[in-house]
Amino acid sequence: EDKVVQSPLSLVVHEGDTVTLNCSYEVTNFRSLLWYKQEKKAPTFLFMLTSSGIEKKSGRLSSILDKKELFSILNITATQTGDSAVYLCAANKAAGNKLTFGGGTRVLVKP
Amino acid sequence: DGGITQSPKYLFRKEGQNVTLSCEQNLNHDAMYWYRQDPGQGLRLIYYSQIVNDFQKGDIAEGYSVSREKKESFPLTVTSAQKNPTAFYLCASSVWKGSSYEQYFGPGTRLTVT
Repeated sequence: EDKVVQSPLSLVVHEGDTVTLNCSYEVTNFRSLLWYKQEKKAPTFLFMLTSSGIEKKSGRLSSILDKKELFSILNITATQTGDSAVYLCAANKAAGNKLTFGGGTRVLVKP
Repeated sequence: DGGITQSPKYLFRKEGQNVTLSCEQNLNHDAMYWYRQDPGQGLRLIYYSQIVNDFQKGDIAEGYSVSREKKESFPLTVTSAQKNPTAFYLCASSVWKGSSYEQYFGPGTRLTVT
């Protein structure tokens, strides 16, 4: 059975801190790993990773994939209160383009 | 203004009634998906469709039905057979980006059944 596990479940940090979110997966016919940010509404797309070791960056957010160890991390540097959200990762299968989601990590950034 | 629209935003129904949630996209995406999200949990796949007139069950299809008569539209019917229909329902569509598919979400419909 396909499985995606995110850790930690939740964390609380102060503005300016750096956070690292983890996502491990066990998915047959793995194609890619996607990260989303969800703030009380629909998830918004952050990154899609297909190759190991290649970091993707967008402002203060960055992510990397390790296909040998079957995990990905999402880093947020110099956190701001607007980064408070649930971060979801999902593994995409080659067959059917289905996504299997992890349970999410809830991040709260305090001023 | 391209995107995925879902209506209504909030929906209230009595137990035993079927209800249909709308999902429309003008992104020209081939594949569309329906997910359900319960409080504090990740998303679970209900149904998906890769092309018009074809769809497959996801992980939790029981009590739901879909149709895909047009590329732009993928409505979801929550039937009275669904035991716990109260949830946040998300529609998505996906596009090929050279090495994999990127999936984008509509704003969601929050269904409450009493």
